[in-house]
Order: sequence, then C-alpha cells, then structure tokens
Amino acid sequence: KQEVTQIPAALSVPEGENLVLNCSFTDSAIYNLQWFRQDPGKGLTSLLLIQSSQREQTSGRLNASLDKSSGRSTLYIAASQPGDSATYLCAVRLGSYIPTFGRGTSLIVHP
Amino acid sequence: EPEVTQTPSHQVTQMGQEVILRCVPISNHLYFYWYRQILGQKVEFLVSFYNNEISEKSEIFDDQFSVERPDGSNFTLKIRSTKLEDSAMYFCASSRDRGTGELFFGEGSRLTVL
Repeated sequence: KQEVTQIPAALSVPEGENLVLNCSFTDSAIYNLQWFRQDPGKGLTSLLLIQSSQREQTSGRLNASLDKSSGRSTLYIAASQPGDSATYLCAVRLGSYIPTFGRGTSLIVHP
Repeated sequence: EPEVTQTPSHQVTQMGQEVILRCVPISNHLYFYWYRQILGQKVEFLVSFYNNEISEKSEIFDDQFSVERPDGSNFTLKIRSTKLEDSAMYFCASSRDRGTGELFFGEGSRLTVL
C-alpha cells in the first residue's frame, strides 16, 4: 500500500525566506504527483502537476521537482509572503489511478 | 475558469438521517471522485466514478454510501443512515483523464452529525 509522508508537519518562517517542503512515497511506480494548497476550512487548490516522465514543473514562485528513484518530491517556494500561509498537500497517483494524499505541511509566513 | 461546485457548503443532521451531497464537476471531465477529510486528519479517498459506474472504492465506502450521476451534470454522494463518525468535510473532484489528468477539487461540504 502506498504511503505518502510530508516533512515537516509544520513550518513557521519570516517573510522573504525561500522554503522547501518535502513529500516522500514508498512506491516509485507512479503516474504523477500533484501539489495542492488548502486554506483553513476550504477546498484544495491545484498548484502543480508533475507527470512521471518529468523532473520538475514551475509556476511563478513555485517549483516542484520529482525524483522517482528516491521516492521524493520537493516543493520550493521562493521569497515567501504572508499570503502563502496555508497547508500544502501532495498527492501521488499510482497504478490504481487513485491519488493518495500525505498529511500536509502547515505553513505560516509571518510579516 | 471552469470549477467544481458543491452544495450544500454546510449541513447539520441528526444521527440516523439520510444525507445527499451534490457536486457539479467540470463539464468536459469524465472521472469523478469523492474524498473526505475528518477535522485535523488527512484527505481520504472514498470512491471514483466513470462511465456511470463505480471504478474504485475504499474500505470506508461501505453499504451506507452510494453515488449517482442522475442527470449528466450532477454527481451525488448519499449517506443512508448517518453516524457521528461521518462528520467530516466531503470533497468532490474531477479530472479529464484517468492516469495523467490533473485533479480539480470543489470547496467541500461540511457535514456535522449530531
């Protein structure tokens, strides 16, 4: 059974810092990996989708990388802002095609 | 921009009552999902639906749950006899493709069972 782990569970940083959030998975035979943002009490907003054939994806200040051989993905947030405060979730899609979620990293960026 | 919409945003019900949660997926998407998130816990898969039938379901999705696409646009989740432990946020999601497609989520329906 696929296990998805996100480290750290929580992070509090001052505005302007560059951040790295980690997602690890136990089965390297993935179809894709998707990063989401979740604000308190809200739905999940898709940030980046990386297919298994890709190494990284970029959107604005966000960059996600994928290393299937080591079972890891990282989400890099450049020049963090208070508006980036949210929970960040990764979801890994395997052969069953069902995305499996990690518990998320709760991020607070303080001014 | 197309989005997944869910109703109601919040429903309070008594234990043992039936509840129907509704979703309108993105119009050109073919695969539909229900997930739930108990407060403070991870997002858990319930069921996936394609071509008018269930394609995958988790152990959570027991006989008390059912899904339906009654009219080609709505996608519903029914809980027949709610229990206290059904209290959670229920999310609907859709994607265009099964394996490679990006998953889009609705804002969720918060269910509170008293």
